[in-house]
Amino acid sequence: AQSVTQPDIHITVSEGASLELRCNYSYGATPYLFWYVQSPGQGLQLLLKYFSGDTLVQGIKGFEAEFKRSQSSFNLRKPSVHWSDAAEYFCAVGPLTGGGNKLTFGTGTQLKVEL
Amino acid sequence: EPEVTQTPSHQVTQMGQEVILRCVPISNHLYFYWYRQILGQKVEFLVSFYNNEISEKSEIFDDQFSVERPDGSNFTLKIRSTKLEDSAMYFCASSADRTNTEAFFGQGTRLTVV
Repeated sequence: AQSVTQPDIHITVSEGASLELRCNYSYGATPYLFWYVQSPGQGLQLLLKYFSGDTLVQGIKGFEAEFKRSQSSFNLRKPSVHWSDAAEYFCAVGPLTGGGNKLTFGTGTQLKVEL
Repeated sequence: EPEVTQTPSHQVTQMGQEVILRCVPISNHLYFYWYRQILGQKVEFLVSFYNNEISEKSEIFDDQFSVERPDGSNFTLKIRSTKLEDSAMYFCASSADRTNTEAFFGQGTRLTVV
């Protein structure tokens, strides 16, 4: 069965510092990979996704993520964090073929930004 | 920009009562989903719906749950007899087609069972 692990439950960074959120997945085949962000009281907003091709993908709000097949990882990065980035971040995987969008989510990483 | 709309944003219901959560997916989308997030836990898949039938459901989606697309625009989740443990944020999502493209999520309905 597929699973997603986000080992960091909470992360605190200073505004302007770089950020890396970790995500490891277990999947029987090559999956689709996603990062979503959830601000307090809000829904889930897609930051970026990886389907195939270039393993470094760019997303919205200055985020990027790198797919590393050998490590089964899809870590999210941002070079300089803004206070407005404080939110919860979810990594998710979905099936590569057919079946629509049944996503398996990780437990999330809560990001706090110190001014 | 098209968006998925969910109503109500917050619903409080007594244990044992039926609730219907409503969603208006993006108009040209064909796949529809419900997910839930119990407070402090991860988002969990409940059910996917395509071509007017359930295409996949999780073990959470038992006989107490049902989904319907009653009029071509709305997509509903019904819980027949709510339990305390049904308290959660319920997210509706839709995607454009059968291939795995982006799922757009609604803002969620927070269901509180008392």
